[in-house]
Amino acid sequence: EDKVVQSPLSLVVHEGDTVTLNCSYEVTNFRSLLWYKQEKKAPTFLFMLTSSGIEKKSGRLSSILDKKELSSILNITATQTGDSAIYLCAVEVREGRSNAGNNRKLIWGLGTSLAVNP
Amino acid sequence: DAGVTQSPTHLIKTRGQHVTLRCSPISGHKSVSWYQQVLGQGPQFIFQYYEKEERGRGNFPDRFSARQFPNYSSELNVNALLLGDSALYLCASSLAGAAYLGTEAFFGQGTRLTVV
Repeated sequence: EDKVVQSPLSLVVHEGDTVTLNCSYEVTNFRSLLWYKQEKKAPTFLFMLTSSGIEKKSGRLSSILDKKELSSILNITATQTGDSAIYLCAVEVREGRSNAGNNRKLIWGLGTSLAVNP
Repeated sequence: DAGVTQSPTHLIKTRGQHVTLRCSPISGHKSVSWYQQVLGQGPQFIFQYYEKEERGRGNFPDRFSARQFPNYSSELNVNALLLGDSALYLCASSLAGAAYLGTEAFFGQGTRLTVV
């Protein structure tokens, strides 16, 4: 059974701290790993990772994939109160069970709830 | 065992026009989500519907709207098309009320929209 596990489930830090969020997966037919930030009701796309060892960076956020360890980390440096959100990891796999053959499936983790206190 | 079906598969429209994309979820699934994916990026969440009610809305302008019908199929409408709306539009079907948070979402093949 495909699964995506995020840790920690919840994290509380002070402004200026650096945080590392983890996502591990056990899937067949891996296609990509995605990070999203959910502040209200909808997730906002952050990164898509397909290759091991290549860091993706956007401002204070960065992420890297380790296909050997079947995991990814999301780093946030110099955290701000606006970083408070649920950070979601999802793994996209090639889903071949249907008659369409090459369907894609997205498996979501449960998210890490990050609270940044002033 | 039909998967998620989307129509049309490809579409070319001119700027200013409107477009309607359709999606039929997997039988028994009551949740449909719409995503926009541009080349090299992950899917951007647009809407989620569950039991015909909007459950989530992404950061997209009001030109984007959607609805879900009693048979759980869904339409995504985009008005006043811009060149930047060119993308692959994916529909995802899931069993649970939330389209994410520990769920599995099955994508359709997508509709490739090109705005010229």
